Amino acid sequence: QKEVEQNSGPLSVPEGAIASLNCTYSDRGSQSFFWYRQYSGKSPELIMSIYSNGDKEDGRFTAQLNKASQYVSLLIRDSQPSDSATYLCAAIGAAGNKLTFGGGTRVLVKP
Amino acid sequence: SQTIHQWPATLVQPVGSPLSLECTVEGTSNPNLYWYRQAAGRGLQLLFYSVGIGQISSEVPQNLSASRPQDRQFILSSKKLLLSDSGFYLCAWSGGWDQPQHFGDGTRLSIL
Repeated sequence: QKEVEQNSGPLSVPEGAIASLNCTYSDRGSQSFFWYRQYSGKSPELIMSIYSNGDKEDGRFTAQLNKASQYVSLLIRDSQPSDSATYLCAAIGAAGNKLTFGGGTRVLVKP
Repeated sequence: SQTIHQWPATLVQPVGSPLSLECTVEGTSNPNLYWYRQAAGRGLQLLFYSVGIGQISSEVPQNLSASRPQDRQFILSSKKLLLSDSGFYLCAWSGGWDQPQHFGDGTRLSIL
């Protein structure tokens, strides 16, 4: 049973629109959450970390965490073709000794 | 700042041949180190992790092994490669279990 779930996509968004990505996790005690971006053929790159309920903004990216509902989301505002990639959600479990990745959501931004 | 180096970038090996992939981290001490494999179009599979020199934990049974001979060096090895060992191998480091992991550029391994 996967502990971090994401819709595999592809999520197709027009250029300039908001891309909304969701992630749910099963370990209720998870405290730390991360979003990675992975371009095709490349390694994952950390783009956001979030530890507390609420929103965290960094440039065009906003991460949202709701521990009660056990979901994390990522919003990409003013989407650009260069945002086309697979986005991986990851969570550190309650035991604090394992980072679990979701399968990733593929995002396609169309000009 | 911290950097992670992984090599080679690509590797083509025959079935049954040995393997050695190396990863080094600069700019930090006593990092946690990780080896992942990503099959084409699939998610990340944690293979090994290490919290210190000589300390290796294996996540999945396989014909691969890992070693950490120095604080910032992590090596992935195999005595005899299988076709199923093909994939994208990623090394990562973190400052601790509660810290995000940072990945190297990866090695794309093809077994013929």
